[in-house]
Amino acid sequence: EDQVTQSPEALRLQEGESSSLNCSYTVSGLRGLFWYRQDPGKGPEFLFTLYSAGEEKEKERLKATLTKKESFLHITAPKPEDSATYLCAVHPQGWEAAGNKLTFGGGTRVLVKP
Amino acid sequence: DAGVIQSPRHEVTEMGQEVTLRCKPISGHNSLFWYRQTMMRGLELLIYFNNNVPIDDSGMPEDRFSAKMPNASFSTLKIQPSEPRDSAVYFCASQEGTGKRTQYFGPGTRLTVL
Repeated sequence: EDQVTQSPEALRLQEGESSSLNCSYTVSGLRGLFWYRQDPGKGPEFLFTLYSAGEEKEKERLKATLTKKESFLHITAPKPEDSATYLCAVHPQGWEAAGNKLTFGGGTRVLVKP
Repeated sequence: DAGVIQSPRHEVTEMGQEVTLRCKPISGHNSLFWYRQTMMRGLELLIYFNNNVPIDDSGMPEDRFSAKMPNASFSTLKIQPSEPRDSAVYFCASQEGTGKRTQYFGPGTRLTVL
C-alpha cells in the first residue's frame, strides 16, 4: 500500500529562520511527487512537481528536492505570508492511463512569526 | 479562468437529510476528482472521473455516497442519508490529461451534519 508521511506535523519559525519539511514515501513506483500549499479555509494550491531523484525546483523562497525515498521542501528566510499547511502527494505507477490517483501526506503546518 | 467552482461553500444539515455538493471543473480539463478532508484522516480521494466516466470509486466510504458527472462541465457528490461522521470539507479538483498531471483544487464545501 502506498504511504506518505510528512514531518514535522507543525513548525514554528521566526521570520528569516530557514528550515526544511520532510515527506517520506513508500510506493511501488513513483510517477511524480507533488507539493501543495493550503491556507485556512481554502483548497490546496499547487507548488511543484518532481519526477526523478536528484530533481530540484524553486519558487521564491521555496525549494523542493527529491530522492528515491523522500522529498524536502526548504523554506529560505521565510516571511509571515509563508504561513500555511504544506502537503505532499505521490502519484504511483500504474495510474497513468487515466489521470492521477494521488496519495496525500498529513501535511506540515508552518507558522512564521514576525 | 475562474478555476474550479464548488457550491455551496457551506452546508449545515440534520442527520438523515440528503446533501448534494456541486462542482464545475476548469474548462478543458478531462479528469475530475472528489476528495474529503478531516483532521483525523487528512485528504482522502473518494472517486475520480476521466472523460465523464467513473474510473475508481474505491474511496467512497459507503453506499450512502454517490457521484455523477453528466457532462464535462458538471459533477455532483450526493450523500443520502447524511450522518454526523460525514462532517468534513469536500474538495473537487480537475486535471488536464495527456501528460499534464497537476490537479487544481476548488475552494471546498464545508459540510456539517448535526
